[in-house]
Amino acid sequence: ETGVTQSPTHLIKTRGQQVTLRCSSQSGHNTVSWYQQALGQGPQFIFQYYREEENGRGNFPPRFSGLQFPNYSSELNVNALELDDSALYLCASSSGLGQGSSGYEQYFGPGTRLTVT
Amino acid sequence: RKEVEQDPGPFNVPEGATVAFNCTYSNSASQSFFWYRQDCRKEPKLLMSVYSSGNEDGRFTAQLNRASQYISLLIRDSKLSDSATYLCVVSTGYSTLTFGKGTMLLVSP
Repeated sequence: ETGVTQSPTHLIKTRGQQVTLRCSSQSGHNTVSWYQQALGQGPQFIFQYYREEENGRGNFPPRFSGLQFPNYSSELNVNALELDDSALYLCASSSGLGQGSSGYEQYFGPGTRLTVT
Repeated sequence: RKEVEQDPGPFNVPEGATVAFNCTYSNSASQSFFWYRQDCRKEPKLLMSVYSSGNEDGRFTAQLNRASQYISLLIRDSKLSDSATYLCVVSTGYSTLTFGKGTMLLVSP
């Protein structure tokens, strides 16, 4: 069984640029969630994708957007980068049923560490 | 009030000690509860789910009190390898996870 993978591992961008982060879900999982973890904080939910549709969004501005592909892999795009976007971006996959589910275990990839200068 | 609150620690304990972490959550509609472990600069890893009846996995015991909206984790016979940050996590019906800031545990020889 293949675990969750993310690319790239590290990334340095300049304020105002755009970035795309990628995630491949664990085999058999159809739901992908993205989280942002700033230093010293717990992960904060950005959004979730289930069967290629956005299924819930946290308190993040529209410049954070995403996609899920038919193979359940996913992208997180961030436009107009700000210094405060510097963080560890985590992708988690699960085999939940999406909206209305009673909750289920999520498994995280190693993350992408983004630094905005 | 924060959605999930934890004592940030650090908790410094000697090897072999028993240590307990507590967590409170504010959303009474929360349906699923977990403890994750996170090593420095690594991703969170699921330690255990928490059930209303309480559950045990080796040296780890988790308890849930829905009436008080309180979750606990007990670690017995602490090992050096238990040193990490322990994240309390709750989930609502949308299956998204809400994390606490974590409690740092340092186990010393």
